Amino acid sequence: QVQLVQSGAEVKKPGASVKVSCKASGYTLTSYYMNWVRQAPGQGLEWMGIINPSDGSTSYAQKFQGRVTMTRDTSTSTVYMELSSLRSEDTAVYYCARRRISPYYGMDVWGQGTTVTVSS
Amino acid sequence: DIVMTQSPLSLPVTLGEPASISCRSSQSLLHSYGYNYVDWYLQKPGQSPQLLIYLGSNRASGVPDRFSGSGSGTDFTLKISRVEAEDVGVYYCMQGLHSPSGTFGQGTKVEIK
Repeated sequence: QVQLVQSGAEVKKPGASVKVSCKASGYTLTSYYMNWVRQAPGQGLEWMGIINPSDGSTSYAQKFQGRVTMTRDTSTSTVYMELSSLRSEDTAVYYCARRRISPYYGMDVWGQGTTVTVSS
Repeated sequence: DIVMTQSPLSLPVTLGEPASISCRSSQSLLHSYGYNYVDWYLQKPGQSPQLLIYLGSNRASGVPDRFSGSGSGTDFTLKISRVEAEDVGVYYCMQGLHSPSGTFGQGTKVEIK
């Protein structure tokens, strides 16, 4: 079945970087964009950016420009999101979610989420 | 940047009664092809979000027909014809048109009275 399985929880110190993985199965990775969305404790959803696994092209929310990097490894059907210069405000659950490249169907499959805690 | 504004932010509902959530965009979400690039998502307690509606009015696979989406341009509505206990959670609208796409509304918490 179609699923996105994310890597496990992380605890990082301020200033460090974190790299979260999202492994896709049950479908062709390159037929869907992959979005990254985060949710701080008790807060709403915040879209971070998107990668086209077909060619590796990316688009990031302005808020994260310069700190976020999204990459993919098509050989393992895995997409990565790396966030650098972490601060306490980056403590959140990070989700990957696929979206068909064409036609548009919304983000129809989500990962289980990865908790990232930034604390000294 | 586009701003998505939902109302109300909290919605107590009675089982079996209808419910409605509004979402307003600061820019039109109507594409030249005639589609409105707005989605609705539900995040049930302790779960990942799930897609309910895409392109303004299309129910995602497996979504009960008591959920419906409507609207065009900048004003959109999600309606639940008869609320069931499993519908509790936080509902989000999201725009998918203007780059970089993916702006969410603040969320509307639906709970049973």
